[in-house]
Amino acid sequence: AQSVTQLDSHVSVSEGTPVLLRCNYSSSYSPSLFWYVQHPNKGLQLLLKYTSAATLVKGINGFEAEFKKSETSFHLTKPSAHMSDAAEYFCVVSEARNFNKFYFGSGTKLNVKP
Amino acid sequence: GAVVSQHPSRVICKSGTSVKIECRSLDFQATTMFWYRQFPKKSLMLMATSNEGSKATYEQGVEKDKFLINHASLTLSTLTVTSAHPEDSSFYICSVRSGASGNTIYFGEGSWLTVV
Repeated sequence: AQSVTQLDSHVSVSEGTPVLLRCNYSSSYSPSLFWYVQHPNKGLQLLLKYTSAATLVKGINGFEAEFKKSETSFHLTKPSAHMSDAAEYFCVVSEARNFNKFYFGSGTKLNVKP
Repeated sequence: GAVVSQHPSRVICKSGTSVKIECRSLDFQATTMFWYRQFPKKSLMLMATSNEGSKATYEQGVEKDKFLINHASLTLSTLTVTSAHPEDSSFYICSVRSGASGNTIYFGEGSWLTVV
């Protein structure tokens, strides 16, 4: 069965320092992996996705994530945090055998300190 | 990415009345849309999968008669909360599935429902 674990419910960084948001998944089939960002009272915006091409995926706003099959991880990183990055981040997984199933992590709230 | 429009963004209704939320896929035809409910500081809870031209598939525990979903066209799905009660107050979000660039879902901006 599919599952997605976001290891940290809250992450706090200082502006200008690196960001690391962790996501581990379990999947029996070829997974597609996504990161979404949600600002307060807004919908979710797609940051980036992995769909079996390059394992290092670059997304919008300077974010990137690396698919590591051996570690079943898809951690989200950014070299330098900006105040506007403060939001909730969701890791999402789908698998090739069921296009209508998407599994959500519980979310990580990123706080950026000035 | 796809553009998804959700309307209204905020609505207040009285207990016992019904309210309709619309989800539109603006730049492609979506055979599948999803409706979620999000409680404060929580992840999204899938309520139902909306399929164009057929009945929606509801998740376990979601009342079909209370949360009516209609997907009459390839660009529009609606969620109607019938006989609303204060406990139905929540943030409702829709998403559309696009297979064009590797099975991806795109979300609307969400709708805040307050039942008074």
